[in-house]
Amino acid sequence: SQTIHQWPATLVQPVGSPLSLECTVEGTSNPNLYWYRQAAGRGLQLLFYSVGIGQISSEVPQNLSASRPQDRQFILSSKKLLLSDSGFYLCAWMLEDTEAFFGQGTRLTVV
Amino acid sequence: AQSVTQLGSHVSVSEGALVLLRCNYSSSVPPYLFWYVQYPNQGLQLLLKYTSAATLVKGINGFEAEFKKSETSFHLTKPSAHMSDAAEYFCAVRTGGGNKLTFGTGTQLKVEL
Repeated sequence: SQTIHQWPATLVQPVGSPLSLECTVEGTSNPNLYWYRQAAGRGLQLLFYSVGIGQISSEVPQNLSASRPQDRQFILSSKKLLLSDSGFYLCAWMLEDTEAFFGQGTRLTVV
Repeated sequence: AQSVTQLGSHVSVSEGALVLLRCNYSSSVPPYLFWYVQYPNQGLQLLLKYTSAATLVKGINGFEAEFKKSETSFHLTKPSAHMSDAAEYFCAVRTGGGNKLTFGTGTQLKVEL
């Protein structure tokens, strides 16, 4: 069966520090991968998605970047965090004919 | 472009009462529609999905939703609310074959004794 791992579960980082959140998927090949951010009262905002290794689509201009170095690995990064980067980050995978499957999320607090 | 509107950011019902969470979609092509539930500090769990088969879709935990093309709606219902249903619910739309899942802003469901 397919599983998705996302870590860490919580993270407190100072302003200006770097960020690396990792997501890995097991049990499926060539999935579409997604990073969402969730802020209170604003639903889920799609940040990045990837349809293959090295292919990244950015949905909103921001302080973050994403990379897909392997088929089932998706990384969200920042060189210098801002206060506004605080939020709940969710990784997800999806195939052409399926729904999206989500990780457990990372609560990021920038202080 | 596809979009989803969830009416009511907060809904409160009594235990045992009907739950109705509203979702309207906009899509230029036949959509796939989904309802997800989220408990605090957790990821999203699929409740049910519509993918152009039966218009009345049954999901987990006694929830169901009906796809109404004429109303561009996909409202979520449950006949009798339980305390454990308290959570945030998200409606989402995906155009067939498309790579993006677009979510509504969510509805927080509160269940009172």
